[in-house]
Amino acid sequence: AQKVTQAQTEISVVEKEDVTLDCVYETRDTTYYLFWYKQPPSGELVFLIRRNSFDEQNEISGRYSWNFQKSTSSFNFTITASQVVDSAVYFCALSEALMQGGSEKLVFGKGMKLTVNP
Amino acid sequence: AAGVIQSPRHLIKEKRETATLKCYPIPRHDTVYWYQQGPGQDPQFLISFYEKMQSDKGSIPDRFSAQQFSDYHSELNMSSLELGDSALYFCASSLSRVGYGYTFGSGTRLTVV
Repeated sequence: AQKVTQAQTEISVVEKEDVTLDCVYETRDTTYYLFWYKQPPSGELVFLIRRNSFDEQNEISGRYSWNFQKSTSSFNFTITASQVVDSAVYFCALSEALMQGGSEKLVFGKGMKLTVNP
Repeated sequence: AAGVIQSPRHLIKEKRETATLKCYPIPRHDTVYWYQQGPGQDPQFLISFYEKMQSDKGSIPDRFSAQQFSDYHSELNMSSLELGDSALYFCASSLSRVGYGYTFGSGTRLTVV
């Protein structure tokens, strides 16, 4: 069975600090996809990144960066120079990669609430 | 760009009533997913449809049913509502290609009183 673990439930930082959100996953599939979503207080789920299991390159997008390490089954997310607007709940998620017509349902971690204080 | 549209955004129902949530996927997307997110919880997969046929089922109560119509919009019907059904209900749509990923709607917040 697939499982996603976000060990941290809540983090509070001061603006401009760097913060890393941990994500560890379990799956028996050799092909799978990993995601990060942001959920601000307004409630919508905002897509941040999707990474397939064959692409272990780290990715940087502005102040966001992701570190995918298959050897440790981790897909960690770092926010550099955090801002108040980064305050949200962040979810890591995993899906199997199925053939067309199959279900790519997501299994989410429990989420991590980040509060960035001015 | 067109997004996934969910209606209504907010819904208040009494216990034992029925609720219907609607989802309009992104045009040309052939797959729709429904998720339920209780307060302080992570989203849980309920059910999915591919080309108007149910493709997968998660932890969806028997009191809930869903379908996808010929125009690809989907409806989630919830009967005999319970207080525990109060949650955010998300719909997402995708093209069923491997790894395409999908887009979530803004959600419907259901409150059962």
